[in-house]
Amino acid sequence: GQNIDQPTEMTATEGAIVQINCTYQTSGFNGLFWYQQHAGEAPTFLSYNVLDGLEEKGRFSSFLSRSKGYSYLLLKELQMKDSASYLCAVRDSNYQLIWGAGTKLIIKP
Amino acid sequence: TAGITQAPTSQILAAGRSMTLRCTQDMRHNAMYWYRQDLGLGLRLIHYSNTAGTTGKGEVPDGYSVSRANTDDFPLTLASAVPSQTSVYFCASSPGTVGSGELFFGEGSRLTVL
Repeated sequence: GQNIDQPTEMTATEGAIVQINCTYQTSGFNGLFWYQQHAGEAPTFLSYNVLDGLEEKGRFSSFLSRSKGYSYLLLKELQMKDSASYLCAVRDSNYQLIWGAGTKLIIKP
Repeated sequence: TAGITQAPTSQILAAGRSMTLRCTQDMRHNAMYWYRQDLGLGLRLIHYSNTAGTTGKGEVPDGYSVSRANTDDFPLTLASAVPSQTSVYFCASSPGTVGSGELFFGEGSRLTVL
C-alpha cells in the first residue's frame, strides 16, 4: 500500500529553526509537495520537489532524497504565525496525490 | 480575488437527508477536486474532474456524486447523509489536467451529520 509518514506534533521556540520530516512509500514518484494549513483554514502551497536536493524559498526550505523516500521542510527564524499544520503529499506514478496526516507545529514565545 | 468559493461554510444535517455543497472557481482552471479531511488522516480524494463534462472517482467516492456542467462550478451531493460523512470538505482546483501543478483550495465546508 501507499503510505506517507509525518510526526503528529512538534513544538519549537520563536526565532529558532525546526525540521519537519516526511517519509513515503508510494507506487512511483512524480514529485513531493508541502502545504501549510492554519487551524480552520484552507491548505496553501509552500513548495515542490521533484529532483534530489534542497529548494530554498525565503525562510522555508524543502529537501528531497528519492533513493531514501524522504523529505524535510526546514523553517528558519520561526515566527508565531508559523504555528500551523504542515502537510506532505506525494504524486505517484498515476499522478494521484497521496497525503500525509500532517504535522501540527506549535510555536512558543 | 476570490479564487475558490465554497458554500455553506458549515451545516448540521439530519441522517438520511440530502445535501449539496457548492464550489465555484474564477481562475479558469481545468481540474477540480473534492477532498474530505478527518482528524488524524490525510486528505482523501472523493471525486475529481479534468474538464467540464467529465468526472472521475477518487479514493472514497461512495455516498457522493458530482457534476461539472461548466468550467467554474463543481457541486458535491450527498444523496442520503450518514454520520460517517461528518467531516470538513475542501474543494480545490489546479491548472492543467488532474494531478499537474499545485492545488488551490477553498476555505472548506464543515458538515455534521446527526
